[in-house]
Amino acid sequence: DVRLVESGGGLVQPGGSLRLSCVASGFSLRGYWMCWVRHTPGKGLEWVANINPESDDLSYLDPVRGRFTISRDNAKNSLYLQMDNLRAEDTAVYYCARDPYTKAFENWGQGATVIVSS
Amino acid sequence: IVLTQSPGTLSLSPGERATLYCRASQSVINNFLAWYQHKPGQAPRLLIYGASTRATGTPDRFSGSGSGTDFTLTITRLEPEDFAVYYCQQFGASPSYSFGGGTKVEIK
Repeated sequence: DVRLVESGGGLVQPGGSLRLSCVASGFSLRGYWMCWVRHTPGKGLEWVANINPESDDLSYLDPVRGRFTISRDNAKNSLYLQMDNLRAEDTAVYYCARDPYTKAFENWGQGATVIVSS
Repeated sequence: IVLTQSPGTLSLSPGERATLYCRASQSVINNFLAWYQHKPGQAPRLLIYGASTRATGTPDRFSGSGSGTDFTLTITRLEPEDFAVYYCQQFGASPSYSFGGGTKVEIK
């Protein structure tokens, strides 16, 4: 069974940092593009960042570029999102998701809640 | 590429047909267009990819069509569990992926 489990969410003050982790089981992360997607009631689903299997092709949503860093450790079957200089508008549920070469997200984690507030 | 979904809200009764639209600001590369169902407190669920291919486990009352800039998700007969928010999503050059704003299908 393919499973993705996020952790690392929480409450942080504006300007603070958080690191989200996503551990995969039931498949090897090694061969897949992986992404972070967030959801807010106001904007709906929003792609945040993606990373290719070799970690040499990274892309980011414009508002997070320079503040967020996506990375992966294929040996640990894990995906990460380092979030720095957080803003109130980054408040969301963050999901990790797998693209099995269909250019769509077939598998999702349960989500990690990030709240940025003073 | 910007994806615009319409209508914003669809009020229908169980058993009725639902037609949801997704328009792209530019042609979607290789029809890399997907549809998702999202319910509160749950992860999104992939329904359709490649504009018209059902994902594993997607009931056949869901169908996707379209190409280029105009795409449609049709639910032939709404079941109680189908009331949710639906998103379209494309893959392209910049940004890599993007979602539409969503269509809420609510019980009339």
